[in-house]
Amino acid sequence: KNQVEQSPQSLIILEGKNCTLQCNYTVSPFSNLRWYKQDTGRGPVSLTIMTFSENTKSNGRYTATLDADTKQSSLHITASQLSDSASYICVVSVVDKLIFGTGTLLAVQP
Amino acid sequence: NAGVTQTPKFQVLKTGQSMTLQCAQDMNHNSMYWYRQDPGMGLRLIYYSASEGTTDKGEVPNGYNVSRLNKREFSLRLESAAPSQTSVYFCASSEAPGVSYGYTFGSGTRLTVV
Repeated sequence: KNQVEQSPQSLIILEGKNCTLQCNYTVSPFSNLRWYKQDTGRGPVSLTIMTFSENTKSNGRYTATLDADTKQSSLHITASQLSDSASYICVVSVVDKLIFGTGTLLAVQP
Repeated sequence: NAGVTQTPKFQVLKTGQSMTLQCAQDMNHNSMYWYRQDPGMGLRLIYYSASEGTTDKGEVPNGYNVSRLNKREFSLRLESAAPSQTSVYFCASSEAPGVSYGYTFGSGTRLTVV
């Protein structure tokens, strides 16, 4: 069964600290992997898209990594800001559809 | 710079009532999608339209109908609302069908069926 699992479910960090969110998937065949940020009451906004051949991709303070052999991805947030408080969703593409994880809820406190 | 616009933002329906959720995009995208988001679950695809004039069922189409009115607009209709349809609904669009393109999402419609 194609699945995308994210950990932790929720995370609280202090402003200015770094954090790493995890995504494990059992999707096959794999097309690409995306990370989205979803602010409360808003729709998901794309952060990165990586194909099978890409190991890392950055978008400002966000850096995503992908290990296609172990079927794992991580999203690293550097020097967190209060505005980083949101749900972060890992999405894996298989053939012709997207499979969404349930997200990691990040709270950045002052 | 509107992107994908959804209306309404909030709606409360009684069981058995009908309503239409509206979605419009201004990016000249060919493909449009309707998803629902429920607590503890990832977004699930209800219906999609690969291009103007075509629509197809997604993962959870029961209880819904869609209309691709033109290239810009894609509506979702609940003919007889049920409490199980309480959810947040997101419309999205992409340049072309398939998973190689980025998806742009609207801000969502929060629907409660009582």
